[in-house]
Amino acid sequence: EAGVVQSPRYKIIEKKQPVAFWCNPISGHNTLYWYLQNLGQGPELLIRYENEEAVDDSQLPKDRFSAERLKGVDSTLKIQPAELGDSAVYLCASSLVSFTEAFFGQGTRLTVV
Amino acid sequence: GIQVEQSPPDLILQEGANSTLRCNFSDSVNNLQWFHQNPWGQLINLFYIPSGTKQNGRLSATTVATERYSLLYISSSQTTDSGVYFCAVERNFGNEKLTFGTGTRLTIIP
Repeated sequence: EAGVVQSPRYKIIEKKQPVAFWCNPISGHNTLYWYLQNLGQGPELLIRYENEEAVDDSQLPKDRFSAERLKGVDSTLKIQPAELGDSAVYLCASSLVSFTEAFFGQGTRLTVV
Repeated sequence: GIQVEQSPPDLILQEGANSTLRCNFSDSVNNLQWFHQNPWGQLINLFYIPSGTKQNGRLSATTVATERYSLLYISSSQTTDSGVYFCAVERNFGNEKLTFGTGTRLTIIP
C-alpha cells in the first residue's frame, strides 16, 4: 500500500513569490493534515480536513496561506507571497478518521531566499 | 490546549546500550503515537498506543493513561536508531489537534 505522497521534495524560491505543495493521502483516508516543522522543533498543525471540509484551520495564516482538498482526496497548500520566515518543512499526513493513527509523507523542504 | 513534554531532550549512547524515553501530557488523551524522525526528515510510525504496552522487535512502549505518561524503550541500540523521537497526542474533545512534543534527539555512537 502506498504511503502519503508529497511533492515537490525541495523548493527554493525568492521572497514574494508564490509556491504550492501537493499531497496525495493514503487511499481511503478521510482525514488529511498539513503540518509545519521549523528546525529543531516538533511539527505544528496548520489545517485539518475531514473529507473536503476544513474542520480546524485556526493556525493557518490566512493572509498568505490557503489550502484546498478537492473531492476529498488530494490537497494543495499555497503560500502567496512567501516570506523569509516561511522557510521550513511542510508535512502532510492522513488518517482513516480523526483521532486514529496518522501517517506522514516525506515533507517538502521550502527555502525562501 | 494540551501540553506535551518529552525527556530527556538529548541522549548520546554507545551502540548496544538500552534507553528509555519519556512523554508526559497534561490531560487525558484518546490517541498517542510515537514517531522516529530519521536524518532525512521522514516521520516513521513506531507505535499507536493510547494505553497499554506494545512491542515491536527491539522497541517497546507503555502508556499509563491514568497517570498521563508514556515510555518508549529501545534495547540494544544501533546507529540506525539515531534521530529525533516524537510523542504526539490527541483528544477527542472539541477541536483538539494531534499535538507533538519537543522531541528527544538520540545519537548512537559506534
